[in-house]
Amino acid sequence: GAGVSQSPSNKVTEKGKDVELRCDPISGHTALYWYRQSLGQGLEFLIYFQGNSAPDKSGLPSDRFSAERTGGSVSTLTIQRTQQEDSAVYLCASSLDRSSGYTFGSGTRLTVV
Amino acid sequence: EDQVTQSPEALRLQEGESSSLNCSYTVSGLRGLFWYRQDPGKGPEFLFTLYSAGEEKEKERLKATLTKKESFLHITAPKPEDSATYLCAVQRGSGSRLTFGEGTQLTVNP
Repeated sequence: GAGVSQSPSNKVTEKGKDVELRCDPISGHTALYWYRQSLGQGLEFLIYFQGNSAPDKSGLPSDRFSAERTGGSVSTLTIQRTQQEDSAVYLCASSLDRSSGYTFGSGTRLTVV
Repeated sequence: EDQVTQSPEALRLQEGESSSLNCSYTVSGLRGLFWYRQDPGKGPEFLFTLYSAGEEKEKERLKATLTKKESFLHITAPKPEDSATYLCAVQRGSGSRLTFGEGTQLTVNP
């Protein structure tokens, strides 16, 4: 596609439920990143994919968070047993390689009630 | 640990009033310094990458410069449509993640 697509754009979930966030990167972009942006905070790195492998997942805040990427394309970020502190905008970005500027999607706004 | 500090947190300008945003950084082995613009409800939009001290890049009313400790984003004769949050980020030589500052929220009044 022309840009990075994320779905859903908004998600409200009850505390304790699992959620899945989806990212469709720009076609041909081998690098894919997940970031989290909380209200009034800077962007917090979560995980980086190169192809289908994740050489850097050191930013995942707990074992409730996991992510996968299939076919070198679509990625899913899963949060299990959601907590209120997980409420944030989750941003996905892709780039042609690790040296290029990122192109971000518009994000998924997650609200845990 | 990589650190990025942006100042001021917020800046209000009148249309046509030029100013600069600051990004101070500490990183081991800078690979690149990135500037992004973020509008409300949207993801950051890439503006510039600077790789070495002394480098400058321009785009319309924006010019980014880089020294060994900081970067400036100069805005010349801004217009209301330049209102946004401007984010600075660094990438270290050994890895691929970007470390972001908290941004400067710019408002340009007509």
